[in-house]
Amino acid sequence: GAVVSQHPSRVICKSGTSVKIECRSLDFQATTMFWYRQFPKKSLMLMATSNEGSKATYEQGVEKDKFLINHASLTLSTLTVTSAHPEDSSFYICSARDQTSGRRYEQYFGPGTRLTVT
Amino acid sequence: GENVEQHPSTLSVQEGDSAVIKCTYSDSASNYFPWYKQELGKRPQLIIDIRSNVGEKKDQRIAVTLNKTAKHFSLHITETQPEDSAVYFCAASSHGSSNTGKLIFGQGTTLQVKP
Repeated sequence: GAVVSQHPSRVICKSGTSVKIECRSLDFQATTMFWYRQFPKKSLMLMATSNEGSKATYEQGVEKDKFLINHASLTLSTLTVTSAHPEDSSFYICSARDQTSGRRYEQYFGPGTRLTVT
Repeated sequence: GENVEQHPSTLSVQEGDSAVIKCTYSDSASNYFPWYKQELGKRPQLIIDIRSNVGEKKDQRIAVTLNKTAKHFSLHITETQPEDSAVYFCAASSHGSSNTGKLIFGQGTTLQVKP
C-alpha cells in the first residue's frame, strides 16, 4: 500500500515552453501533497505544500507564478513549470501523506521527474 | 526559519565497521524525524524514523537516537555492508493542528562502504 506515482519520469522541453508534472496517490487519499526539487548531489528542497481544494503554500523564494500547483482531487496534484528556462532543469519529486493510516506522519515519495530544458 | 544541519557530508568506512551520521534541528516544534536512503536517480527510501516521545529506536542494523533537549538526532548503522553505500538524508517535521508536516531535509551524507 501507500504508492505514489509521477508522470512523466523524464521530459525534455525547449526554453520558453511549459511542462506539467502529475503526482498521484494510487491507493490512498491525500489531502496534502508536497513538491520538492533536487539538484545533482544536493538535498531535497521543499518548494510548496499542495492542499486539496485550496491554494498551495509556497516556500520562501519559490515563484508561485512560475511553478503552478493544482490539487484538484484527493489523489492528484500537478506542478506546471511555466516558461521554462535551462536553470529550471532539475529532479522534481512529489510526496504525499496518508493521514488516515496508522503511519500518518510518514511521507510517501514519487519516483521523481527529470526535467531538462534546452 | 526551520533548518536541519547534517554532518558529515561524506563518510567512508570499512565493511563491517559502524557508521554514524548526526543532525541538528532548529524548530523546537519538530516531533517527527525520519531518515532516508537515496540511490542515484531514485526516490528517497525511508529506512527508519522516530517520534519525539521516544529517545531511541532500533531496527536490525540500524538505530536512531534523539536528544530533544539538545535538538540532536543521529543515525547509527552497524556491521556495514557495501550495499549500504548511498546518500543518506535526515529530516524533521512538526505535526499538530496548525502544522502540515512538511519535511525539512538535511544536506545529505554520502556513505561509502569499502569491501
